[in-house]
Amino acid sequence: SYELTQPPSVSVSPGQTASITCSGDKLGDKYAFWYQQKPGQSPVLVIYQDRKRPSGIPERFSGSNSGNTATLTISGTQSMDEADYYCQAWDSSNVVFGGGTKLTVL
Amino acid sequence: QLQLQESGPGLVKASETLSLICTVSGGSISSSSYYWGWIRQPPGKGLEWIGSIYYSGSTYYNPSLKSRVTISVDTSKNQFSLKLSSVTAADTAVYYCARHQIPDSGSNHFFDYWGQGTLVTVSS
Repeated sequence: SYELTQPPSVSVSPGQTASITCSGDKLGDKYAFWYQQKPGQSPVLVIYQDRKRPSGIPERFSGSNSGNTATLTISGTQSMDEADYYCQAWDSSNVVFGGGTKLTVL
Repeated sequence: QLQLQESGPGLVKASETLSLICTVSGGSISSSSYYWGWIRQPPGKGLEWIGSIYYSGSTYYNPSLKSRVTISVDTSKNQFSLKLSSVTAADTAVYYCARHQIPDSGSNHFFDYWGQGTLVTVSS
């Protein structure tokens, strides 16, 4: 079965750029999606089709996907961005989620 | 604004069947552009997709859960439901329902609207 691998945690200073990676076999041949989940809340879609932002998602969120790795980038990270982030892809008629990355804004 | 709301028992006994309903408001479950999905999250852990259903009844299931899962749809009530049989403590989780976007082709499958989630605890 297809697997997506994320680092368990990433730390960033306020105002700096955070990058969260998601690795999977030939992931660049598929679309990658990213969700943000804050404690006690439902996940929120922040990136779809590799790099598109839904309405209401700040421009500081961006995405890329090439080769075996998709990356979520948060520019000018704010304290409100502290959350868990999950990548997701579609493979062989299955939805696959990465294990999640806890972003800490120190 | 589309809204999804999960409902059902918060406590289920081991070996029994977990049953949840998701009620969709602000939009039709019979839209040709979407499936409707269930995702769960054990306490302190990550997201796990359970399965998704089209208004016609066509389904996708997670292979790891397929033998125990049934997802059905009631278009007259704008609802879809989840049944998970032979539950154990490992099935304790927050269960979310969500709208599953589907493409004309390719891998553009994702969830754009989520319910608030409901915690289901399996007791022994």
